[in-house]
Amino acid sequence: GESVGLHLPTLSVQEGDNSIINCAYSNSASDYFIWYKQESGKGPQFIIDIRSNMDKRQGQRVTVLLNKTVKHLSLQIAATQPGDSAVYFCAENMWSGNQFYFGTGTSLTVIP
Amino acid sequence: DSGVTQTPKHLITATGQRVTLRCSPRSGDLSVYWYQQSLDQGLQFLIQYYNGEERAKGNILERFSAQQFPDLHSELNLSSLELGDSALYFCASSLSGQDNQPQHFGDGTRLSIL
Repeated sequence: GESVGLHLPTLSVQEGDNSIINCAYSNSASDYFIWYKQESGKGPQFIIDIRSNMDKRQGQRVTVLLNKTVKHLSLQIAATQPGDSAVYFCAENMWSGNQFYFGTGTSLTVIP
Repeated sequence: DSGVTQTPKHLITATGQRVTLRCSPRSGDLSVYWYQQSLDQGLQFLIQYYNGEERAKGNILERFSAQQFPDLHSELNLSSLELGDSALYFCASSLSGQDNQPQHFGDGTRLSIL
C-alpha cells in the first residue's frame, strides 16, 4: 500500500549546523511532494515543494532533494536556528484531486 | 499567517454531544480539506470540498459530516462524540482541486471530549 514515512522520529542538532530530515515514499507514481513545518500550537506551514521532474529545489536556507530511483525525499536546513525547532512532515500527492498523504513527522530540536 | 482561519481554537465538550468547527479558506481558494491529527499521529485526511461540492472522502466517520457554503467557508460537524474523537482538527485550502498545488493550513481547532 501507499505510505509516507520518516526514517528518524527525532533529530537534535547544534545551532549553526546543517540539518537533514529524510522521508521515504512507496508509490513511484507520486509526482508532487511538499515539506511542512509544524510548531507547537500551530498548523502545518508550507516550506517548500518539488515536482517529480526535478531532483533538487532550493529556497531560503532550505533545499529539498528528490531521488526517484530509491523513492527518497530529504529536507536540508542550512545554519539551523532555534526557530527551526518543530515537527517536519513530508506530504505526497498521490491521488487525483490534490489529496496528500502525510508522514508521521520528525521532531527537530535545535540546541543553542 | 497562512490566510486560513479556523474557529474556535479550543472546544471542550462531553461524550454524546455535537459540535461544529468552522473554516474560512484563503482568499481566492476554492478547495477546502479537513484533517484530523491525534496525539503522535500524522495528519489523517477526512474530506475535501471544491466550490461547494464534495470532491473526495478519506477516513471520515459516519458520525462526521461537512459542507462548503456559497461564500466558500466550510463547516465540519461532529456528532455523538466519543472520547477517541479528542484531537486537533485542521482545515486547509488550495486554489482549486487540481493536482500538485500546495495546501495551506489553518491553526486548527483543539477538541477535547470529557
